[in-house]
Amino acid sequence: DAGITQSPRYKITETGRQVTLMCHQTWSHSYMFWYRQDLGHGLRLIYYSAAADITDKGEVPDGYVVSRSKTENFPLTLESATRSQTSVYFCASSESVGGASYEQYFGPGTRLTVT
Amino acid sequence: RKEVEQDPGPFNVPEGATVAFNCTYSNSASQSFFWYRQDCRKEPKLLMSVYSSGNEDGRFTAQLNRASQYISLLIRDSKLSDSATYLCVVNGRSSASKIIFGSGTRLSIRP
Repeated sequence: DAGITQSPRYKITETGRQVTLMCHQTWSHSYMFWYRQDLGHGLRLIYYSAAADITDKGEVPDGYVVSRSKTENFPLTLESATRSQTSVYFCASSESVGGASYEQYFGPGTRLTVT
Repeated sequence: RKEVEQDPGPFNVPEGATVAFNCTYSNSASQSFFWYRQDCRKEPKLLMSVYSSGNEDGRFTAQLNRASQYISLLIRDSKLSDSATYLCVVNGRSSASKIIFGSGTRLSIRP
């Protein structure tokens, strides 16, 4: 089925390790986003991409790296994981970001625990 | 002050009741507004966009008050299946970096 998928769904890693979270969408949406969701903070934007090879920082980019060599993929890498990066990570995509009718479609999330 | 604020709840109401909650935003230049629904341990999904003139979708009504800088969501004849967390989303301008999610309002409908 078409949609947006994330892998892995659950991940436990140790402090200092590099971790890559994958995101894949089949709609050919221009925009893709990475959010983290923590209690009391809601969803916070980490990075976003307006098109292949175009990425930009969101609200909380420190400690994360993204790339987008293909429209359909938007991996998020934690270069050296810290306990504060324990969170639920959501990937999303949308056709645009302007106007009252645009919609973000979210993947099922990745639950990451850093020990 | 947070850019987008919501009462975290929980709102605990009986089935069939009408419930309303607000979301305030600080950026007067905000252009687009939305309500998303998030079930426990699931991804957020768009519930409805919020238009300047207000809009209704079945039992759900969304309103925008630009003067007081808040949006509202009204749910009539609430169902058990309405139990979820409702997130308001504000887009400060046509830029992905200014899409701000509220922390959500938790709603629990009891039989």
